[in-house]
Amino acid sequence: RKEVEQDPGPFNVPEGATVAFNCTYSNSASQSFFWYRQDCRKEPKLLMSVYSSGNEDGRFTAQLNRASQYISLLIRDSKLSDSATYLCVVRTQGAAGNKLTFGGGTRVLVKP
Amino acid sequence: EPEVTQTPSHQVTQMGQEVILRCVPISNHLYFYWYRQILGQKVEFLVSFYNNEISEKSEIFDDQFSVERPDGSNFTLKIRSTKLEDSAMYFCASGGASYNEQFFGPGTRLTVL
Repeated sequence: RKEVEQDPGPFNVPEGATVAFNCTYSNSASQSFFWYRQDCRKEPKLLMSVYSSGNEDGRFTAQLNRASQYISLLIRDSKLSDSATYLCVVRTQGAAGNKLTFGGGTRVLVKP
Repeated sequence: EPEVTQTPSHQVTQMGQEVILRCVPISNHLYFYWYRQILGQKVEFLVSFYNNEISEKSEIFDDQFSVERPDGSNFTLKIRSTKLEDSAMYFCASGGASYNEQFFGPGTRLTVL
C-alpha cells in the first residue's frame, strides 16, 4: 500500500464552483499533515497545515480524520489561479529526522 | 519574505561525472532537507540534516550521495558519479524546528546524458 495515496484527477472545475478531494495515509504514527500546491515544473509551496479540529484559510478548508487516516481539502469559489496539483503531505517523526512523505498529487483544472 | 534559493537552476552533465547542487536555506532555519522529483513522479525524500550531521536518509541516498554545510549559509548535495536515473528535479528545503513546515527552494533540474 502506498504511504500517501491521492486520486490523481484531473478534477475539472467550473470557475466559482466548489471542489473537494481526499488523501489517505498508511502510517498511523504520522504526526503532521499539510497540503502543498505545485505548479507545473515548480517547487511545492505550502498551502496550509491540517489540524485535528479542521481548519480554514480563506476559501480553503482542510479536515483530518485520524481514525480513518484521511485528509481532505475543499476549495470554495474556485479561481482560475487555483489550477495546480495539490500535494497531500505527511510528516513522520523518524529516529532522528522529520521527513515529509508526499502523495502523487491531485490535479485541479479550473475552467472559465 | 525570506526564501530558500538554489543554484544552478539547470545542470546538464555526462554520466559518471560529479555534480554539486547548492542551496541557501532560510537564514534562521536549523533543519535542512533534500528531495527529488523525477519527471511525472512524486516528490521523494532523500536526506535530512541537523546540527551538522545527517539525521535521516532514504534508500535512494546511497554512497554516491553526500551532503555538506560548508559554511554558515550554504547546504550542498553532491552526487559523486551520476547515472542516467539521477536525472530529476532536486529540491532543497529548510525548516525552523523539527515539527515546523518545510519551505522549498525553486529546485535544480539535473539532466544526466
